[in-house]
Order: sequence, then C-alpha cells, then structure tokens
Amino acid sequence: NAGVTQTPKFRVLKTGQSMTLLCAQDMNHEYMYWYRQDPGMGLRLIHYSVGEGTTAKGEVPDGYNVSRLKKQNFLLGLESAAPSQTSVYFCASSASGDGPGGELFFGEGSRLTVL
Amino acid sequence: GQNIDQPTEMTATEGAIVQINCTYQTSGFNGLFWYQQHAGEAPTFLSYNVLDGLEEKGRFSSFLSRSKGYSYLLLKELQMKDSASYLCAVQGDNYQLIWGAGTKLIIKP
Repeated sequence: NAGVTQTPKFRVLKTGQSMTLLCAQDMNHEYMYWYRQDPGMGLRLIHYSVGEGTTAKGEVPDGYNVSRLKKQNFLLGLESAAPSQTSVYFCASSASGDGPGGELFFGEGSRLTVL
Repeated sequence: GQNIDQPTEMTATEGAIVQINCTYQTSGFNGLFWYQQHAGEAPTFLSYNVLDGLEEKGRFSSFLSRSKGYSYLLLKELQMKDSASYLCAVQGDNYQLIWGAGTKLIIKP
C-alpha cells in the first residue's frame, strides 16, 4: 500500500534551472495538493486540483506550475528556480474537499535546495 | 486577516498528560484538524472536529469551542514516540486549510 509517493526525495538546483516534482497516489482520490513547509511557518498551499484535468492556485503559486493529466498524478514544476524556493515540498491527497473525508494523506516530502 | 496560533515548543514527562492549545481567527469555519509530524517525516492525521465538544481516540483527544475560536489536543500516558510536532489546521470559508506553525513536543524520561 504505497499511498502517496513523491519523486525525487532530494534535489539541489542552481538558480535559474528548472525541474519537475512528481506525485502519484493509488487511493483514487479526487483532490490533490502541493504544499511547501519552511521553518517556523505553517504549511503553505502552492496549487491544488479537485479532479483530473483541473488545477487552481493556492496561497503561494508564483514561480510554480502544475498539471493533473491523470487522476493519480500531480506534477509541480519550477520554471526558473530561485533561492527563495529552497524548501521541503509535500504532496497530499484527499477523498473530498471538506469534512472528515478531507483528511490529507501526505507523501514523504521532497527536499529542494536552490543555490 | 486569518491566523492560527500555537505554542512553539512544549516539554512534558513520559507517562504524564499534556495539552496543546490552538486558537484561530479565520473567515468562516468548516472544521479543524490536528496532525502529527515526526522530524523529517510527513504529517499524519490525528483528529477532526467540526462541532463543539471533545472527540476521544485512544490516548489522544481533541476539543473544540467554535464560539471561542479555540481547540486543544490532549495527549495522555505520554510515550517517547510522542515526541513530534503537532499541527493545527482550520478549514475556512473557501474550504482551504489554514495551518498553524506547529508545536514541537519534547518528551523527557
């Protein structure tokens, strides 16, 4: 039972490089999310998706793009990495957007460093 | 603005009881979640409250007072493995979660 799987787990980038983080879930969840977690701050929502083919901006979307071409996958792209994007990125999924079914299942996280 | 407040760090003794408080000011309320996050790991779900009162789940209980914008997580019979950060999150008007910065709980023998 894999749950939510993120790749890669670790990555070091130079300023200006691009990369894609991949998230895959095997729970048939409709909702998927990308968060970033920085020291001393709460999780911040970057983008989310309420179903295959849909995406929406969260609290801190600038500098990121996402795609949800398949229900089980949610990709997060960094177009031109900046040191401010150094963070731990978590993908999460949920069966519904609210209520008890809104419980989030998280991937293990991807630690990104931008030099 | 929207705000979630939790203590930054708490220390407790193995076998004891600890209460972690969370106060919130949000535009709307559609539920409050507590998550546990061990260092270097992903958050995992602990509890959900949408109505006032206490929800008990084994050694963990969560309380909500909507009129006071207040919740607490109560951990009983503390074990060393309970050393972790505890995250409070509120679902506001647009159903997006607003997260507190988390409370780091240190358990001492």
